[in-house]
Amino acid sequence: RKEVEQDPGPFNVPEGATVAFNCTYSNSASQSFFWYRQDCRKEPKLLMSVYSSGNEDGRFTAQLNRASQYISLLIRDSKLSDSATYLCVVDRGGSYIPTFGRGTSLIVHP
Amino acid sequence: SAVISQKPSRDICQRGTSLTIQCQVDSQVTMMFWYRQQPGQSLTLIATANQGSEATYESGFVIDKFPISRPNLTFSTLTVSNMSPEDSSIYLCSVEGGSFTDTQYFGPGTRLTVL
Repeated sequence: RKEVEQDPGPFNVPEGATVAFNCTYSNSASQSFFWYRQDCRKEPKLLMSVYSSGNEDGRFTAQLNRASQYISLLIRDSKLSDSATYLCVVDRGGSYIPTFGRGTSLIVHP
Repeated sequence: SAVISQKPSRDICQRGTSLTIQCQVDSQVTMMFWYRQQPGQSLTLIATANQGSEATYESGFVIDKFPISRPNLTFSTLTVSNMSPEDSSIYLCSVEGGSFTDTQYFGPGTRLTVL
């Protein structure tokens, strides 16, 4: 099992749709979880951290399920500008060395 | 957030040559990381560069191929040595620590093409 697994997509949705991505991780000792966004030919940028209690930032909601070892990202009311690759990031456990998932591609169309 | 610059932004190099990539941060940071991202792939960590000690390399990466310097808390270099076309990739530095604990901020990347 890969350390961090994501469905590569692409997810192709209309504007206004709600879309959810999942990410599974293999190391039960992992403590830090993040979602990053990467636009085409750009560097990754932090979208949001994922907390145990779940957290929301505007249209974005992140949740963590430690028992099943997955994190999720929900995007409501999708905008064209949300089109990007969303990278799941998990630490290795024991030290903060991040492991990146392959990314999930989102395409929001008019 | 940190402001990170990389030089060069892109380069086209001949097989067998070496390229040194520079990463500059606008404030002092504890840890700096070097990643490689090949087309359509996610980021692969090459090594962690800590000031005052040797870099820590990930499995599959060796110092002879990717020597790293970290002379101070705001600067690091990665050299891609004896390049082959398989080294064509985007190389990214990132920082963590200092004022930016628990998250990573990335430089804009260096797009390398080896002919």
